[in-house]
Amino acid sequence: NAGVTQTPKFRVLKTGQSMTLLCAQDMNHEYMYWYRQDPGMGLRLIHYSVGEGTTAKGEVPDGYNVSRLKKQNFLLGLESAAPSQTSVYFCASSYTGTDGYTFGSGTRLTVV
Amino acid sequence: AQSVSQHNHHVILSEAASLELGCNYSYGGTVNLFWYVQYPGQHLQLLLKYFSGDPLVKGIKGFEAEFIKSKFSFNLRKPSVQWSDTAEYFCAVKPKVGSGNTPLVFGKGTRLSVIA
Repeated sequence: NAGVTQTPKFRVLKTGQSMTLLCAQDMNHEYMYWYRQDPGMGLRLIHYSVGEGTTAKGEVPDGYNVSRLKKQNFLLGLESAAPSQTSVYFCASSYTGTDGYTFGSGTRLTVV
Repeated sequence: AQSVSQHNHHVILSEAASLELGCNYSYGGTVNLFWYVQYPGQHLQLLLKYFSGDPLVKGIKGFEAEFIKSKFSFNLRKPSVQWSDTAEYFCAVKPKVGSGNTPLVFGKGTRLSVIA
């Protein structure tokens, strides 16, 4: 049982480059979330999805896009990376949205 | 908007000391409450949760938390910490209104360092 899998685990980008972070869950969860974690800032919600084909903005959505074409996958895209997007990105999922979340292991992204 | 306050940014304790980490939230309605732990270099793991009933909830690894509705608080406690409890602890709140469509709101976290 893999749970929530994030790829890649590490990435270095140059300013202006684009990339996609993949989150995959095998628990048939309806709800999926993307958070970023920065020192002293805790976890801040970027975007989330309440089901296949749906997406919604979180607290810090600017500079990011997401897609949920399949129930098990939630993609986070950076169209033009900026140094301010250097962070650790965590994906999470939940069956009902009201229970606890299951988190992935994170992607450490550095934008130079 | 809802907010979660964890007043202690960094707590340093000796092994066997007792722990209490504060968590307060700002939301007038009923809520689900959570504590997560993040060990160094790892992802967040659920420590315990409160949905309803007995306001004193027990979680894994000897942790417990008490929900005090009148104080909008959900403090985490452990009678005797171990070096292996060194981690960052996050409180999270979810208003029950809106069912699953309202995401969890996390506090900024409290870093716990346990020294020998």
